[in-house]
Amino acid sequence: EVQLVESGGGLVQPGGSLRLSCTASGFTFSSYEMNWVRQAPGKGLEWVSYISGSGSGKNYADSVKGRFTISRDNTQKSLYVLYLQMDSLRAEDTAVYYCVRGLVPASFDYWGQGILVAVSS
Amino acid sequence: QSALTQPASVSGSPGQTITISCTGTSSDVGGYEYVSWYQQHPGKAPKLTIYDVSKRPSGVSDRFSGSKSGNTASLTISGLRSEDEADYYCCSYAGNSAWIFGGGTELTVV
Repeated sequence: EVQLVESGGGLVQPGGSLRLSCTASGFTFSSYEMNWVRQAPGKGLEWVSYISGSGSGKNYADSVKGRFTISRDNTQKSLYVLYLQMDSLRAEDTAVYYCVRGLVPASFDYWGQGILVAVSS
Repeated sequence: QSALTQPASVSGSPGQTITISCTGTSSDVGGYEYVSWYQQHPGKAPKLTIYDVSKRPSGVSDRFSGSKSGNTASLTISGLRSEDEADYYCCSYAGNSAWIFGGGTELTVV
């Protein structure tokens, strides 16, 4: 069974940093593209970042480019992890962040339960 | 890029058929056969409902169907049921490993 479990969220002050983790299991992690998608409270979905299966390809939404960094650890045989390093956080980054598996060619088939990131002083 | 345009809300009675539209541009919806739709119940994660414009994942009812014409994609739900009441989001590939979502449509089954 495919499972994606996010962790690392919480309350952070504007300008601060946070690193989200997503532990993946139930599939061959390195064979799949992964993404982060967020949803501000009461708002719609917003794609945030993409990473290829090997980790060599990455992309970011304009709203987070230069502040967020996506990465992945394909090396742990018993624990595969997707990361999102978030720096220079702003109030508008407040959202539930979802870890999402990519379905080739271009959709998202499995979603984690989401983790809340709140940016406030 | 601005979000894809969806109606804020639609409603229908049990058994009826409804359609939700999703309008983009030639750089996203019109440029690729990669529109997907997601169903989201309150407090839950989104669920893939349609991908590649009109394909249904395993386990999704055949009451759900998708189509596209030009820069507008559509999700149609036939034989409406109370459990279909949810928010629905369209999403389009926008090239260069980037995606864009619609603003979401709240479906009410009255």
